[in-house]
Amino acid sequence: GAVVSQHPSRVICKSGTSVKIECRSLDFQATTMFWYRQFPKQSLMLMATSNEGSKATYEQGVEKDKFLINHASLTLSTLTVTSAHPEDSSFYICSAPTILAGAHEQYFGPGTRLTVT
Amino acid sequence: AQSVAQPEDQVNVAEGNPLTVKCTYSVSGNPYLFWYVQYPNRGLQFLLKYITGDNLVKGSYGFEAEFNKSQTSFHLKKPSALVSDSALYFCAVIGGFKTIFGAGTRLFVKA
Repeated sequence: GAVVSQHPSRVICKSGTSVKIECRSLDFQATTMFWYRQFPKQSLMLMATSNEGSKATYEQGVEKDKFLINHASLTLSTLTVTSAHPEDSSFYICSAPTILAGAHEQYFGPGTRLTVT
Repeated sequence: AQSVAQPEDQVNVAEGNPLTVKCTYSVSGNPYLFWYVQYPNRGLQFLLKYITGDNLVKGSYGFEAEFNKSQTSFHLKKPSALVSDSALYFCAVIGGFKTIFGAGTRLFVKA
């Protein structure tokens, strides 16, 4: 079946630095990818929709200058957390819809645990 | 606006007993409903979906869900729970082109 990978799986960084998270669709092309954030014991919160060849669409309340999204190709989207702060520590998950799975289905990456010290 | 509600934060069940994880939805138009499972520090795994057709949907790992239009519910069920079913379960609905998740229900299966 379709596979979505994320790299890194875990990252620890210092406050003020930037961190890049990659999301790749390994065996299918994804013109759209979604980025979610998940706090401990909470649900997934959609942050933004990443669109290949155009600007990302951010959800209300998400700072686009802080969470930079680049959809560089049909198989790669990146999320860069700029000037990270401890409150940015979270579990970040990407997903991509695919016609391989039929209409209206998504495949999720394994997630990236970000810890900002 | 599309939304889903999972009224239970946690469900406890003994191994071998049937389990139910509840989900209700609110959508305009025909609902596209999903169940996902998440294990600790992992991404989401697809369990099953309802798009159209039979109200009883069978999915992975022996799970099934029943779509009930009159009650706007899509409860997840399994006839006999396993300890390995212990995880976080999310109900979701498609809203436009986005997936909207419920708050999640943590399932504990005790041996």
